[in-house]
Amino acid sequence: GQNIDQPTEMTATEGAIVQINCTYQTSGFNGLFWYQQHAGEAPTFLSYNVLDGLEEKGRFSSFLSRSKGYSYLLLKELQMKDSASYLCVFMDSNYQLIWGAGTKLIIKP
Amino acid sequence: NAGVTQTPKFRVLKTGQSMTLLCAQDMNHEYMYWYRQDPGMGLRLIHYSVGEGTTAKGEVPDGYNVSRLKKQNFLLGLESAAPSQTSVYFCASSPGEAHQETQYFGPGTRLLVL
Repeated sequence: GQNIDQPTEMTATEGAIVQINCTYQTSGFNGLFWYQQHAGEAPTFLSYNVLDGLEEKGRFSSFLSRSKGYSYLLLKELQMKDSASYLCVFMDSNYQLIWGAGTKLIIKP
Repeated sequence: NAGVTQTPKFRVLKTGQSMTLLCAQDMNHEYMYWYRQDPGMGLRLIHYSVGEGTTAKGEVPDGYNVSRLKKQNFLLGLESAAPSQTSVYFCASSPGEAHQETQYFGPGTRLLVL
């Protein structure tokens, strides 16, 4: 079957760096997304990776290793507004999105 | 542009009642989706549409019906609500031009079935 694993919750300090890991098992792969979701709000797009390597976008970077079925989201210079859930999502061979349950990130001053 | 809007924002139903959730987008997107989100689980696709007049089943379609009579609207119907359908429902849309495109989400509808 198809499955996504990511930690349920993480805590980090304002100004620090945090890495949120995601592993997936799939019979096919057409890309990996990261979405951010603040409590009580809708998910919003952060990043997309289809090739191996690091994609950097401001304070956020996303890494993909297709051979290892592994991705991470790196958040630098953490701000209080980064407190949210981060959803790892992969696109399978049928171009359907498989959503992880999300990692709740708590930022402390 | 309003983006993706959903009505209502919150609703309480009794078991067996019916209701329709409305999703509207003003971005001229081809693809539209209905998801449900439950605690501790990822979003699950209920139904989706790749264009006006077309619909398809997602991962958890049972107990729901949909219609896409106009390109900008995607309706989700519950014919006979059950407590298991208590959830947060999100509508999303995407341009439909490339598979790697992002999805744009509405604010969600919180449904409680008693």
